[in-house]
This record gives sequence, structure tokens and C-alpha cells, in this order.
Amino acid sequence: AQTVTQSQPEMSVQEAETVTLSCTYDTSESDYYLFWYKQPPSRQMILVIRQEAYKQQNATENRFSVNFQKAAKSFSLKISDSQLGDAAMYFCAFSYNNNDMRFGAGTRLTVKP
Amino acid sequence: NAGVMQNPRHLVRRRGQEARLRCSPMKGHSHVYWYRQLPEEGLKFMVYLQKENIIDESGMPKERFSAEFPKEGPSILRIQQVVRGDSAAYFCASSPMEGREETQYFGPGTRLLVL
Repeated sequence: AQTVTQSQPEMSVQEAETVTLSCTYDTSESDYYLFWYKQPPSRQMILVIRQEAYKQQNATENRFSVNFQKAAKSFSLKISDSQLGDAAMYFCAFSYNNNDMRFGAGTRLTVKP
Repeated sequence: NAGVMQNPRHLVRRRGQEARLRCSPMKGHSHVYWYRQLPEEGLKFMVYLQKENIIDESGMPKERFSAEFPKEGPSILRIQQVVRGDSAAYFCASSPMEGREETQYFGPGTRLLVL
């Protein structure tokens, strides 16, 4: 069974600094997809970044980048130049066959001005 | 291109009543997924549907819950005889039919409160 673990229930970062959110997963599959979703207080789920497991290059989206370590089954999210609007719950997610998506329990990120 | 739409955004029901949650997928998407999020928890998969078919309902409670995705119209998640434990945010997501596009696009959710 695929599981996703986010070991940091809460994280905080100073505005303009960099923060890394951790995510590990467990699967026996070799071809899959990994995601980071952001959930602000509005509870809307917003896709932040997506990584295909067959790609070695780490995905980046502006200030957001990932460190994908396939052998270690690790998928961390780095947020550079943190902004107040980055404060939210961040969910790591795994998808193999598109039947469903497995989410981690989430990390609550606080950005201090 | 409108995103995934869910309505109502907020729903209040008394114990024993029925709750109907609607989800309109993104244009061109024919796969719909329902998730439930209890307070302070991650999303939990409930059911996966394609048009007129339930593909995977392994996350759906065996009683009182049902889902459909008719040929025409939105997908419906129906909860009969609601109890307080049903209070949660219910998210719908959709993905397109073609290819191996794995990304699911989420709607804004419906917050159900059972009094």
C-alpha cells in the first residue's frame, strides 16, 4: 500500500527566508507522480508543484522547488524568499494509477513578518 | 476555463437529514474523485467515478453514503441520515480522460456541518 508521511506538523519561517518541508512515501511502484498542494485558510486545495518519478530533474515553479530523491523515497518542498501569502497547510501527495491520490497529514506553515 | 465547481460551499443539516453535495468537473474532464477532510487531518479518498460508472469506492463508508456521476449533470455525493461525525469538508477533484495525466484538480470544497 502506498503511504505518504509528513513528519513536520508545523513549521515557521521568517519572511524572505527559505524553508524546506519534508515528505517521504512508500511504494513498490517505479512510475508514479508526486505533488505538493497548498491549502490556505479558505480550504481550497491549490496545486503548487508536480513531479513525475521517471524524471530525474527536480521540478521548479518560481519560488517553489523540490528535492526528489527517488531511491530514498523523499520529496521535499523548498520555498525561497517566503512571503506572507505562503502561510497555509501544505500537503504532499502521491498518485500511481490515477484511481486516487494519497495525501500526507499536512504541514502547517507560518510566515513571520 | 472554469475550474472544478462544488456547491453548496457550506451546508448545515440536522441529524437524520440528507445531505447532497454537487461537483461539476472541469470542462473536458470525465474522471471525478471525492475526498473527505476531517478537521486538522489530510484528505481521505472516498470514491472514484467516471461517467455513469463507479470505478473505486473503497474509501466510502458502507452505509448512508452514495455517489453518482450521471451522463448529464454534476456528480452527486449523497449522505443519508447524517450524524455529527459526518461534519467535515468534502472535496471533489477531476482529471481528464485521455492519457496518463495524473494531476487532479480540486474544487473549493463543501463544508458540511451537522447539528
